[in-house]
Amino acid sequence: QVQLVQSGAEVKKPGASVKVSCKASGNTFTRYYMHWVRQAPGQGLEWMGIINPSGISTIYAQKFQGRVTMTRDTSTSTVYMELSSLRSEDTAVYYCARDVDPLGPAYAMDVWGQGTTVTVSS
Amino acid sequence: QSALTQPASVSGSPGQSITISCTETTSDVGGYNYVSWYQQHPGKAPKLMIYDVSNRPSGVSNRFSGSKSGNTASLTISGLQAEDEANYYCSSYTSSSTLCVFGTGTKVTVL
Repeated sequence: QVQLVQSGAEVKKPGASVKVSCKASGNTFTRYYMHWVRQAPGQGLEWMGIINPSGISTIYAQKFQGRVTMTRDTSTSTVYMELSSLRSEDTAVYYCARDVDPLGPAYAMDVWGQGTTVTVSS
Repeated sequence: QSALTQPASVSGSPGQSITISCTETTSDVGGYNYVSWYQQHPGKAPKLMIYDVSNRPSGVSNRFSGSKSGNTASLTISGLQAEDEANYYCSSYTSSSTLCVFGTGTKVTVL
């Protein structure tokens, strides 16, 4: 059973950057695309981007282009999401999630991390 | 602003069936079969209930079913149970530069 374990909560000041990690258990990690999704307090889900199994290719939602970087370390089965130039509106829970299709992406996410709360406050 | 509109709330009594709609304002849902549905309980991560319009992941109850007609996708929950009370989100692959959008979300209440 694959599990995704994310790094702990972060508090950042406006203008700073945050890097969230997501470590997968199981030996099939390298076969799957991985997504990042965020959820602001009391709000809905928002897709941020996707990274391919090798980590070579990424696609970011237009809203985050220029501010987000997704990377992947296949040797440690870990994916990372770094968001820069933080503002208060970036306060949210950030989730990593696995794409359901190893031949994908199918843009459906069947395994989710527990979420990482990022608070941006001066 | 989401391109996928859902009703804010839907309610039903135990044992009843309810349907949640997901209507797109562009061609995102109608043009592709990458529509998914998620259940989210408060304070928890989302759970995939349906993918590729109507496929159920292993372990998801067959009380949950999905369909699509034109630009509207639907999630039907039959035999409503107390544990089904949660927020539900649709999502779809899109042809825009964003590639994936979520719906506005629907709160399901079991009366």
